[in-house]
Amino acid sequence: EPEVTQTPSHQVTQMGQEVILRCVPISNHLYFYWYRQILGQKVEFLVSFYNNEISEKSEIFDDQFSVERPDGSNFTLKIRSTKLEDSAMYFCASSGGGRTDTQYFGPGTRLTVL
Amino acid sequence: AQTVTQSQPEMSVQEAETVTLSCTYDTSENNYYLFWYKQPPSRQMILVIRQEAYKQQNATENRFSVNFQKAAKSFSLKISDSQLGDTAMYFCASFDSGGSNYKLTFGKGTLLTVNP
Repeated sequence: EPEVTQTPSHQVTQMGQEVILRCVPISNHLYFYWYRQILGQKVEFLVSFYNNEISEKSEIFDDQFSVERPDGSNFTLKIRSTKLEDSAMYFCASSGGGRTDTQYFGPGTRLTVL
Repeated sequence: AQTVTQSQPEMSVQEAETVTLSCTYDTSENNYYLFWYKQPPSRQMILVIRQEAYKQQNATENRFSVNFQKAAKSFSLKISDSQLGDTAMYFCASFDSGGSNYKLTFGKGTLLTVNP
């Protein structure tokens, strides 16, 4: 069964460093998302991406964040200058041909900022 | 704006018994979708069940079923014949199909423990 994959599973970085989190969505899906979950809190929407552009972004998704689909398979989230409060689990999700199709999540990347 | 409320931070159930997790939501849209996701200790988010608001019939997926009360804006999840592998955090989520909204809105979750 197709699934969303994410790498790395755990990333440790120093405050102020740039990180890139990588995702491979399900191959025939057209809509891509990033969510984050700070430990003990609920899952929060960051950004959605369709047709090679951002469809919607949350207040959390400020200028430090960017997304890219550099080729036909990868979908990346870049944080330019990490802060301590960026420590969280980051989930990538994808959905199929319709915007209301179910979103399927990857296993997440745990980001720890020291 | 959508809101999703899960009023039970934690619940426990004995193996083989039935448990119901509560969820209420608020939306101004007529067309929307509701979901339950499961997050086991591995922290992967796994889809449990999906309900379209325009469908009157409650969704069912094997041992998992929902009680969708549209007027009350309630969407509870019933797990029958609970198994140890059902131990997880369960998140209720909603998705509006109107306008430019592309996001899932999640509740805070209910931690379910299935005891042997």
